[in-house]
Amino acid sequence: RKEVEQDPGPFNVPEGATVAFNCTYSNSASQSFFWYRQDCRKEPKLLMSVYSSGNEDGRFTAQLNRASQYISLLIRDSKLSDSATYLCVVNRGATNKLIFGTGTLLAVQP
Amino acid sequence: EAGVAQSPRYKIIEKRQSVAFWCNPISGHATLYWYQQILGQGPKLLIQFQNNGVVDDSQLPKDRFSAERLKGVDSTLKIQPAKLEDSAVYLCASSPLNRASSYEQYFGPGTRLTVT
Repeated sequence: RKEVEQDPGPFNVPEGATVAFNCTYSNSASQSFFWYRQDCRKEPKLLMSVYSSGNEDGRFTAQLNRASQYISLLIRDSKLSDSATYLCVVNRGATNKLIFGTGTLLAVQP
Repeated sequence: EAGVAQSPRYKIIEKRQSVAFWCNPISGHATLYWYQQILGQGPKLLIQFQNNGVVDDSQLPKDRFSAERLKGVDSTLKIQPAKLEDSAVYLCASSPLNRASSYEQYFGPGTRLTVT
C-alpha cells in the first residue's frame, strides 16, 4: 500500500464547476500536510498548506481529518487555468521529508 | 530572488552509459533534495542534504546512483551505469532551515532523462 493515496483521475469538469479531491495517508506520525500543483512538464509548486481547522485561499479550501488520516481539496468556480495535476503531500517529520501522492489530473473544459 | 537552477534540461543516453545532473539551490537555502519523478507518478525523494551532510539517502539506488554537495551549495547527481527504468524527470529542490517556512520546498525545472 502506498503511503499517500490519491485518485489519479482525470477529472474533466466544465468551467464554473466545483470539484473535490481526496487523499489518504497511512503513517499516523505524519506531521504536516500540503497540496502542490504541477502544470504539464513543469515543476511542482506549493498551492497551500492543510490544517486541522481547515483553511481557505480564495476559491481553494483544504481540510484535514487526522482521525481518519484524510485530506481534501475543494476548488470552487473552476477556471481553465486550474487545469493541472494536484499532488497531495505529507511531511513525515523532523527531517522535512515530503511524501508525494501520484497526483490527480484536473482538466477544466470551456 | 533567483530560483533553483538545474542543467541540463534534457538528456538522452543509451543504457549502460553514465550521466550527471547539476543543481544550484536558492541562495542561502541549507537543505537540498533530489527527486525522481517517473511519468504518471509523484516525485520520489532520492537524497536529502543539509549543508554538505547527507540527511536521508534511504531510497537512493547506491549501486548506480551517487550524489554530492561538497561545499554545501550546488550539487551533482550521477547515474552510472544507466538502465532503461531510470528514464524520468530528476527534480532538485531546496528549502531554508530553522524558519517557519522551512517546510516549503522550492523546485527547479528538472532534467528530463531518456535512456534508450
